[in-house]
Amino acid sequence: GQQVMQIPQYQHVQEGEDFTTYCNSSTTLSNIQWYKQRPGGHPVFLIQLVKSGEVKKQKRLTFQFGEAKKNSSLHITATQTTDVGTYFCAVNAGANNLFFGTGTRLTVIP
Amino acid sequence: EPEVTQTPSHQVTQMGQEVILRCVPISNHLYFYWYRQILGQKVEFLVSFYNNEISEKSEIFDDQFSVERPDGSNFTLKIRSTKLEDSAMYFCASSVASREGSYTFGSGTRLTVV
Repeated sequence: GQQVMQIPQYQHVQEGEDFTTYCNSSTTLSNIQWYKQRPGGHPVFLIQLVKSGEVKKQKRLTFQFGEAKKNSSLHITATQTTDVGTYFCAVNAGANNLFFGTGTRLTVIP
Repeated sequence: EPEVTQTPSHQVTQMGQEVILRCVPISNHLYFYWYRQILGQKVEFLVSFYNNEISEKSEIFDDQFSVERPDGSNFTLKIRSTKLEDSAMYFCASSVASREGSYTFGSGTRLTVV
């Protein structure tokens, strides 16, 4: 079955520090999506990457898809307290099935 | 912005009882999903639904579970004879397309089985 690992599982950073979470798949992916879940909230779509080596930016967030399309990363520059939450990568596991990674829980210390 | 609406937000039920969780997907979306998240854990796929039938289901989605689209707007998840381990947050989601589309999630129903 689909194997998608995210590291780290937890990350505590001081406000203003950078943060990166990595997503690794055992198989080549057609695309990868990233979601953010605030504490007590629901997953919210951030972005989708499709092309090998693709890099996309959303303000302080930078998303990258590996050349081999087996890994991806999300980097946040100068974290703010509003960045707190769990970041999940998600991949297509079947025709109609989005498989979520294990998630990285980010805590930002003011 | 269009939303996926879920009711109720919280549900407490006795072990062995049946519960129905309700969802109203976004109106122009064609694919509907149920996911489950046990407290502090990952988001787990239960079932996908397209064209009025189940498209895919996970190992979790056994005979205890069923889904239905009783009318043109609602999408329901029924859990028969609930067990303690069914306690979790249940999220409904919908998408326009399947493989290439993003999912929009509802706010979830927190189910507590006592």
